[in-house]
Amino acid sequence: GAVVSQHPSWVICKSGTSVKIECRSLDFQATTMFWYRQFPKQSLMLMATSNEGSKATYEQGVEKDKFLINHASLTLSTLTVTSAHPEDSSFYICSANHRLARQYNEQFFGPGTRLTVL
Amino acid sequence: GESVGLHLPTLSVQEGDNSIINCAYSNSASDYFIWYKQESGKGPQFIIDIRSNMDKRQGQRVTVLLNKTVKHLSLQIAATQPGDSAVYFCAENYNQGGKLIFGQGTELSVKP
Repeated sequence: GAVVSQHPSWVICKSGTSVKIECRSLDFQATTMFWYRQFPKQSLMLMATSNEGSKATYEQGVEKDKFLINHASLTLSTLTVTSAHPEDSSFYICSANHRLARQYNEQFFGPGTRLTVL
Repeated sequence: GESVGLHLPTLSVQEGDNSIINCAYSNSASDYFIWYKQESGKGPQFIIDIRSNMDKRQGQRVTVLLNKTVKHLSLQIAATQPGDSAVYFCAENYNQGGKLIFGQGTELSVKP
């Protein structure tokens, strides 16, 4: 149980276009979903916290107008990278808190989405 | 032994040896800590966790030690296997919002 999926697993796009990444909790309801970005050989950096039905909370330095987050239901959150540029190329990972998790802050991670902007 | 490169520190061990991966966390108010394993091109995989009211927790082949005095966390892997080769991250939680802050990470390489 507690499986999180992401779609697509990888995407290549042209500079200036927008890309949408989906994060789904497959077999549980998530109170909160988190979006991370990871550059090669570096750690995960939290971008934003997303709660169903409310606006996302962005970390300092993350542009909310560039990284649009929509949390439509307890099982789906989307991240849209708008007007993507090569420097946005990265590995984007989402995670979700299980509403009934044994550990109140236990997060379950998706497999990640590799974004390459040409 | 350990070395610090441009990005990730690396630890190279022989198969069958024990591995110790260290992590310094940042916030003395953090109350929950997790170790994750990340293989190339994949998301983090939960290994073991520990609450701040404990100083040691054991799992299958893994042990986590917590020293709150010096804000230090370690992961011990017994009888390291080639399948343990990956990057290991510690993460801390310090607020009720559930945010996790990840440490730098250590790349573990197991030589057969």
